[in-house]
Amino acid sequence: AQSVTQLGSHVSVSEGALVLLRCNYSSSVPPYLFWYVQYPNQGLQLLLKYTSAATLVKGINGFEAEFKKSETSFHLTKPSAHMSDAAEYFCAVSDSGGTSYGKLTFGQGTILTVHP
Amino acid sequence: GAVVSQHPSWVICKSGTSVKIECRSLDFQATTMFWYRQFPKQSLMLMATSNEGSKATYEQGVEKDKFLINHASLTLSTLTVTSAHPEDSSFYICSAKAYSTEAFFGQGTRLTVV
Repeated sequence: AQSVTQLGSHVSVSEGALVLLRCNYSSSVPPYLFWYVQYPNQGLQLLLKYTSAATLVKGINGFEAEFKKSETSFHLTKPSAHMSDAAEYFCAVSDSGGTSYGKLTFGQGTILTVHP
Repeated sequence: GAVVSQHPSWVICKSGTSVKIECRSLDFQATTMFWYRQFPKQSLMLMATSNEGSKATYEQGVEKDKFLINHASLTLSTLTVTSAHPEDSSFYICSAKAYSTEAFFGQGTRLTVV
């Protein structure tokens, strides 16, 4: 079974400050890991994904995440927050490969607030 | 990236009626589609997985007779909420994938049962 834990349901930062959203996973098989962003009443937009290649993954809008197997973590960071980053962020895990790839287990979500 | 279109974006229905939600892959053939439900201020929970031409596989606790899923073609899956009740009010999101690719999400459907 797989699970994802996002530490902190709410994170608040000032505009221009570092964004750090934490995600820890549990998986019995090598995982694929994802970060998604969701704006109110909208679907999910993929920010980035880890699929067993480089452990430091760069995504859209200046976000990046680092896969650390020893820590079972996949934290999301952005050096400088922008007001438009305010949204809810979900970390998700999937089995790698084949038909199971895409069947996602989501974390609880983290709401990011950006203050002027 | 691949485009998945979900329709309608929102729907209000009376208690006891049925509602159909469509999920279409616009520019690729989706061998597998997933249906998720998201209650307010909660995460997404997988309801079922459907493979084209096969019966859907439902997650534990999801009533298959209430949430009817059809995946008759490689570009369309439908979720029908039968005899909807207020507790079925939620945000329903589909995702679609081709074999060995990641899944792409629709924009979601807000269902309100009154």
